[in-house]
Amino acid sequence: QVQLQESGPGLVKPSQTLSLTCTVSGGSISSGDYYWSWIRQPPGKGLEWIGYIYYSGSTYYNPSLKSRVTISVDTSKNQFSLKLSSVTAADTAVYYCARFYGTNDHAFDIWGQGTMVTVSS
Amino acid sequence: EIVLTQSPATLSLSPGERATLSCRASQSVSSYLAWYQQKPGQAPRLLIYDASNRATGIPARFSGSGSGTDFTLTISSLEPEDFAVYYCQQRSNGFTFGPGTKVDIK
Repeated sequence: QVQLQESGPGLVKPSQTLSLTCTVSGGSISSGDYYWSWIRQPPGKGLEWIGYIYYSGSTYYNPSLKSRVTISVDTSKNQFSLKLSSVTAADTAVYYCARFYGTNDHAFDIWGQGTMVTVSS
Repeated sequence: EIVLTQSPATLSLSPGERATLSCRASQSVSSYLAWYQQKPGQAPRLLIYDASNRATGIPARFSGSGSGTDFTLTISSLEPEDFAVYYCQQRSNGFTFGPGTKVDIK
């Protein structure tokens, strides 16, 4: 079955750019049924949707983060990536990649295990 | 932005009891609401989509209802593995999540 796995540095310095990659296995990222998303969760807090990308490259971002977020896709590697610029301590969180099933459940039906990113000097 | 409010913040119940969780939206989201379960150290798991449809593999003791601004997740008889945090999420205008309801053991 489809699995998602996040990867990237666990520690980022303030003002720098956070970069994470999600690798999709067991299925094709190029399926037209899905939107590939990033969601984060600060320690002890709730969930915040960051944005998603379609396999064609079209994106949709959370307006509150839009100025700092870039999501890209590499269909040849079955991966999609997140870049979040000018990070502060408030960006410390577990970052999840997730699949949004656009033609059926219309929900985030598959999630990666999450990766903790700490912003600190 | 559509804001979701969940109540209660914490629900203390015993195994076998019925759990009723509420999610209220700041404006109508039609039936575009999902529910997720999250256990410590784990990613959220989809339970219910479009307000009342159980996701694949979800036991029948989980049910969802509501439309517009008021929604309910019901667990008919709590099993030990159901003690967790539950989030609602809307997809009517962007995506937002509620703050969560923790169901803990009384």
